[in-house]
Amino acid sequence: EPEVTQTPSHQVTQMGQEVILRCVPISNHLYFYWYRQILGQKVEFLVSFYNNEISEKSEIFDDQFSVERPDGSNFTLKIRSTKLEDSAMYFCASRRGDRGLGTDTQYFGPGTRLTVL
Amino acid sequence: GDSVTQMEGPVTLSEEAFLTINCTYTATGYPSLFWYVQYPGEGLQLLLKATKADDKGSNKGFEATYRKETTSFHLEKGSVQVSDSAVYFCALVNQGGKLIFGQGTELSVKP
Repeated sequence: EPEVTQTPSHQVTQMGQEVILRCVPISNHLYFYWYRQILGQKVEFLVSFYNNEISEKSEIFDDQFSVERPDGSNFTLKIRSTKLEDSAMYFCASRRGDRGLGTDTQYFGPGTRLTVL
Repeated sequence: GDSVTQMEGPVTLSEEAFLTINCTYTATGYPSLFWYVQYPGEGLQLLLKATKADDKGSNKGFEATYRKETTSFHLEKGSVQVSDSAVYFCALVNQGGKLIFGQGTELSVKP
């Protein structure tokens, strides 16, 4: 069964450093998402991406964050200058979206645990 | 804005006990509703979903019914197993496509 994959599984970085989190969505999916989960808290939406552009972003997704689909398979989240409060689990998700439904199922990757020291 | 509220955890049950995890939502329009499960050390897996009022989602013995009149989507299972120990997240999505999650309820099942 197709699945969303994410690399690395765990990333440790120093405050102020740039990190890139990578995701490979399911191949025939059209919509892509990043969410994050600070330890012990709820899962929060960061950004959605469709047709090579951001379709929606949350207040969390400020100028330090960017997303890109550099080729036909990868979907990346970049944090330019990491802060301590960026430490969280970051989940990538994708959905088909080919039937015009905004409500079809999103499939999640296993997550990348980002630790900022 | 749209929101989801779940009952506080952790919930501790003995094996074969009945499980209910309450979930209520606030939303404009007609959202789809989901339950996701997160096993220790793993990502989020879809457990079940319902896309319109009175729909019942079911999977692996878990059930939830979309109740528009009470804006609820409570998760139930008749007989839990140790392997059901996990964190359960209720979520909604509107036409905009982003998922809005509840805070999660940790379930611990003891043998």
